Amino acid sequence: DTEVTQTPKHLVMGMTNKKSLKCEQHMGHRAMYWYKQKAKKPPELMFVYSYEKLSINESVPSRFSPECPNSSLLNLHLHALQPEDSALYLCASSQQYQETQYFGPGTRLLVL
Amino acid sequence: AQSVTQPDIHITVSEGASLELRCNYSYGATPYLFWYVQSPGQGLQLLLKYFSGDTLVQGIKGFEAEFKRSQSSFNLRKPSVHWSDAAEYFCAVGDNNAGNMLTFGGGTRLMVKP
Repeated sequence: DTEVTQTPKHLVMGMTNKKSLKCEQHMGHRAMYWYKQKAKKPPELMFVYSYEKLSINESVPSRFSPECPNSSLLNLHLHALQPEDSALYLCASSQQYQETQYFGPGTRLLVL
Repeated sequence: AQSVTQPDIHITVSEGASLELRCNYSYGATPYLFWYVQSPGQGLQLLLKYFSGDTLVQGIKGFEAEFKRSQSSFNLRKPSVHWSDAAEYFCAVGDNNAGNMLTFGGGTRLMVKP
């Protein structure tokens, strides 16, 4: 089973809202990732958690705040987003930090 | 720094025809190489990967890819395309000195004619 789940599938929010994206995997993977993907572009890495500790932050604005409450769950908290943050947000996980990454279906975010 | 080039932005093939999607990479050592497929509005599905060993790699859905070190290429092939193969295809290289961080190519959109 190589399933990564993400909720919600779609999210519309205003620039003053606070919302969260959720990612879950039950494969025992110890590394989890957030990517942002704009239309017709490849995914861009945002954050990496390894063993529930933030190991990479690719200079992402502070209006995006990741959280890894346990080894199966990864959240992305959103606050005061801009319309240009509208994108598909993808979560991925891998067995270890250097292993193959498996992606979830994504959350389509629209910021108005 | 590593980089990945997918020279073809769009490719159209007829159903039943063969397919080859090109991928060229730039990386100092032996790379980890991946092909992912993405249907519209969906996540990325792993088709196949190359870490070491046999340079011809078999994947899911009848796809295969060949690693050619001399050409810095990892082209994806399928002998007979099905309409359901229409999607975006991404080649990626993993930096095995940096936690296998993936660098993606720009993607190739495959369209299949009936």
